Amino acid sequence: ETGVTQSPTHLIKTRGQQVTLRCSSQSGHNTVSWYQQALGQGPQFIFQYYREEENGRGNFPPRFSGLQFPNYSSELNVNALELDDSALYLCASSLKRTSTDTQYFGPGTRLTVL
Amino acid sequence: DQQVKQNSPSLSVQEGRISILNCDYTNSMFDYFLWYKKYPAEGPTFLISISSIKDKNEDGRFTVFLNKSAKHLSLHIVPSQPGDSAVYFCAASDGTGRRALTFGSGTRLQVQP
Repeated sequence: ETGVTQSPTHLIKTRGQQVTLRCSSQSGHNTVSWYQQALGQGPQFIFQYYREEENGRGNFPPRFSGLQFPNYSSELNVNALELDDSALYLCASSLKRTSTDTQYFGPGTRLTVL
Repeated sequence: DQQVKQNSPSLSVQEGRISILNCDYTNSMFDYFLWYKKYPAEGPTFLISISSIKDKNEDGRFTVFLNKSAKHLSLHIVPSQPGDSAVYFCAASDGTGRRALTFGSGTRLQVQP
């Protein structure tokens, strides 16, 4: 069984640029969630996709957007990058089957905005 | 407004002894709680979870206790091993359909040989 994978591992961008981060869900999982983890803090929920539709969003501006594809892989897009967007971006997949589905995380993408 | 709090940034214990990590929450809508372990340069790894209808769940060396009236949960690791040294995050999800996780800020556990 393949776990959650993310690409790229590291990324450096400058303020104002746009970035796309990618995630492949664990085999059989139909739900993907994205989180932002700033240094010294716990992960913060950005949004979730279930069967290609956005299924909830945290307190993040519209310049954070996403996609989920028919194979349940996903992208996180961030426009007009700001310095505060520098963080570890984590993708988590789950199987929306019960009310207690556990989310399994990928290794993350470290984004640095200069 | 931190809905999930881990008030101890770090904890050091001797190998073989018990490690107790604590977590408090404020949102009464939370009904499912999880503990994740995180090593540097890796994503969080799921450890153990508990539903709000239970007060204890055990998996090998790991036990999670939930006190709903106090809005408090704890993770016990017995016996602690040096390989347990990592950052531990408490997380909670509410009863809405999205099942978003709200995380604490983490506790760094150091198990001394």
